[in-house]
Amino acid sequence: AQSVTQLDSQVPVFEEAPVELRCNYSSSVSVYLFWYVQYPNQGLQLLLKYLSGSTLVKGINGFEAEFNKSQTSFHLRKPSVHISDTAEYFCALYGGATNKLIFGTGTLLAVQP
Amino acid sequence: EAQVTQNPRYLITVTGKKLTVTCSQNMNHEYMSWYRQDPGLGLRQIYYSMNVEVTDKGDVPEGYKVSRKEKRNFPLILESPSPNQTSLYFCASNNLAGTYNEQFFGPGTRLTVL
Repeated sequence: AQSVTQLDSQVPVFEEAPVELRCNYSSSVSVYLFWYVQYPNQGLQLLLKYLSGSTLVKGINGFEAEFNKSQTSFHLRKPSVHISDTAEYFCALYGGATNKLIFGTGTLLAVQP
Repeated sequence: EAQVTQNPRYLITVTGKKLTVTCSQNMNHEYMSWYRQDPGLGLRQIYYSMNVEVTDKGDVPEGYKVSRKEKRNFPLILESPSPNQTSLYFCASNNLAGTYNEQFFGPGTRLTVL
């Protein structure tokens, strides 16, 4: 069965500090992986996606993620965060035949001044 | 503008009172889906539809119904809502052509069942 694990439910960080949000996945087949962001009281916005090719994926708002097949990880990083990055971040895996997205439990990034 | 719309955005209701949350997309997408979002659980799929008149259960279908009579609409029906269906609901759609196409999400419907 496919699954996504986000071990950190909340990550507090000071403004302008770097941040890494962790995501590990489990799948017996090739994967497509995604990071979504949900700002307070808003819907889901796609940050970035890995479908194939380069393992370093760049997204919007200065975020990037690295696909690591051997460690089954897809961690999200940003070198310097802003207050406006405060949001919940979801890692997701494409479920293939059913076309569904399998989501992790989410990580709340709390940026403090 | 290409979008997925949901109505209502907010709803407070009482146990047992039937309700429908509408979802509509203007992108001619074959695939539509409903997810619910709960704290600590992420998003879980309720039902999905591969095309008109083709629907199937997702991971948490109990207590919900759907229909797909038109390509653009995919309403979520709660025949007898219960407090454990208090949640944030998202509708999503995408094109099925090719290997993968990005899913577009609606703005969400926050439902409270008292």
